[in-house]
Amino acid sequence: AQSVTQPDIHITVSEGASLELRCNYSYGATPYLFWYVQSPGQGLQLLLKYFSGDTLVQGIKGFEAEFKRSQSSFNLRKPSVHWSDAAEYFCALYGGATNKLIFGTGTLLAVQP
Amino acid sequence: NAGVTQTPKFQVLKTGQSMTLQCAQDMNHNSMYWYRQDPGMGLRLIYYSASEGTTDKGEVPNGYNVSRLNKREFSLRLESAAPSQTSVYFCASRAAALSGNTIYFGEGSWLTVV
Repeated sequence: AQSVTQPDIHITVSEGASLELRCNYSYGATPYLFWYVQSPGQGLQLLLKYFSGDTLVQGIKGFEAEFKRSQSSFNLRKPSVHWSDAAEYFCALYGGATNKLIFGTGTLLAVQP
Repeated sequence: NAGVTQTPKFQVLKTGQSMTLQCAQDMNHNSMYWYRQDPGMGLRLIYYSASEGTTDKGEVPNGYNVSRLNKREFSLRLESAAPSQTSVYFCASRAAALSGNTIYFGEGSWLTVV
């Protein structure tokens, strides 16, 4: 079975501070992993994806994520958060054998001025 | 580029009414998906279709039916709507493996069942 866990439901950071959002997965093979961002009342925007190669992946808006197979993790990072980054972030896993894309429950990010 | 188009964007139904959410993609993708999004639960997979003419159940299929009549379109039907089906519904399609299996989403359909 495949699953995605985002342990942090809600995170608050100060503007300019660094950010790390956690994502753990369960899957029997190498997964395709994604991070999406959703602003209130909006659809989902792809931030970045990993499917092979370099385990440090760069995305849009200054985000990056690191795939760690030994820890079954794909954490999202940003060195300096901007107020416009306040949104909900979803980690997702696509399993080629199942053809399913499964999401975590999301992490809501608040940014303090 | 249109990408993934969902209709309607907003809908209010009475309990017991039926309706169909339409989804179409113009990217020639084989796989398409329907999700529902509820607060604190993320996106949950309702049904998916690996190719034209095939459909499979996801995590929460009860109360829904789907139809994949052609490669472009994947519709979701609520035969007898219930208040528990009040949610935001997203349709998605998936690029081929050579393109990294990226999933593209529609803008969502807000459904309220009263």
